[in-house]
Amino acid sequence: RKEVEQDPGPFNVPEGATVAFNCTYSNSASQSFFWYRQDCRKEPKLLMSVYSSGNEDGRFTAQLNRASQYISLLIRDSKLSDSATYLCVVNMDSLGIQGAQKLVFGQGTRLTINP
Amino acid sequence: AAGVIQSPRHLIKEKRETATLKCYPIPRHDTVYWYQQGPGQDPQFLISFYEKMQSDKGSIPDRFSAQQFSDYHSELNMSSLELGDSALYFCASSLGSSGGRETQYFGPGTRLLVL
Repeated sequence: RKEVEQDPGPFNVPEGATVAFNCTYSNSASQSFFWYRQDCRKEPKLLMSVYSSGNEDGRFTAQLNRASQYISLLIRDSKLSDSATYLCVVNMDSLGIQGAQKLVFGQGTRLTINP
Repeated sequence: AAGVIQSPRHLIKEKRETATLKCYPIPRHDTVYWYQQGPGQDPQFLISFYEKMQSDKGSIPDRFSAQQFSDYHSELNMSSLELGDSALYFCASSLGSSGGRETQYFGPGTRLLVL
């Protein structure tokens, strides 16, 4: 079983739609969680960190459920420019050691927004 | 704002040759992480350095070595290259902090092709 699992999609949705991605992780001691987006052949770019209380950044909302080891990302009013692969990323370090906070990536969910 | 710099951006090598990839972190960042992303795969952690010392090690082959220098830049040395080493190699930098609160910022990657 992969340490971070997410539905690979692809998701094809019309512009303006709301789309939700889910992700589960295996290490209950993990301390920090992120969503990155990756465009084809480019580097992963941080979209947002995910906090226990849930957090929102414009059209993007992230939620964390530690009890279920579940992370979600909601995109509202989707734009053509949102087309990308969305990576659920977990810091698997449970000791909080400086410089030892390797990231473990889900396989990514491919999203295409159609005009 | 200054980002992570990687060089070269593209590299073509023959089997059994050696390669050196370089990473220049964001100014004032003291931590560097190396990741390998094969075709159609998610990034996999290789190795990390904090304050010029190796801080964590992942699935890095014995043929690879890395170090972080006094100016915090890092180099990944790859010897006896194999066809399977063809991948995107990302470097990420962060400001080392305890408690699992580091945020990693990725460079544009080096695309290595082994023929």
